[in-house]
Amino acid sequence: ETGVTQTPRHLVMGMTNKKSLKCEQHLGHNAMYWYKQSAKKPLELMFVYSLEERVENNSVPSRFSPECPNSSHLFLHLHTLQPEDSALYLCASSQGTALRGPYEQYFGPGTRLTVT
Amino acid sequence: AQTVTQSQPEMSVQEAETVTLSCTYDTSESDYYLFWYKQPPSRQMILVIRQEAYKQQNATENRFSVNFQKAAKSFSLKISDSQLGDAAMYFCAYRKRTYSGAGSYQLTFGKGTKLSVIP
Repeated sequence: ETGVTQTPRHLVMGMTNKKSLKCEQHLGHNAMYWYKQSAKKPLELMFVYSLEERVENNSVPSRFSPECPNSSHLFLHLHTLQPEDSALYLCASSQGTALRGPYEQYFGPGTRLTVT
Repeated sequence: AQTVTQSQPEMSVQEAETVTLSCTYDTSESDYYLFWYKQPPSRQMILVIRQEAYKQQNATENRFSVNFQKAAKSFSLKISDSQLGDAAMYFCAYRKRTYSGAGSYQLTFGKGTKLSVIP
């Protein structure tokens, strides 16, 4: 596997279910990101993990819970979601150091989530 | 807060012709990066081109070039000799260059422009 991979690619879940999205990067990066992409809206950053530091968008509901066990893996745990949470969830990775490099973010293919 | 605006929700171009996608942004920072990302129907977001704000020279990558106007906070993407494979959503994105913790490298995206290529 190369680049950034995400599983599953598609997920349908009920509002009472608990599920997890998985992201894995094979690029040697040390920063990982979760984005939410909804129709007709800009991509919304949800969480950042970089060098064991976590930053979160304060507007993200607590029913989304990230986990980053190491620099290569990132999870997004989902519970009691709402229909408006249906969206494409994108994972990305980059270098994340204090150096001023461009450190482009490389994206995975996304998980299309539908909440019924 | 930074904002990125793409005023063209949809554009179309004839195959082999040239098209320009517009992007404007707002920031109080003087040191930053600007990016154009492409998202084809397969959904994988791919970096097309990058511009450093401290460089006056416009970036180019093969058929892709930008017109960066720092004073006007404008960053347009020109695609020359358009090909069917160029059909995709194109997103303009901003990122500040100064490091101030893990959140420093978050990208701020525009809403995107859907580009269609007509054979």
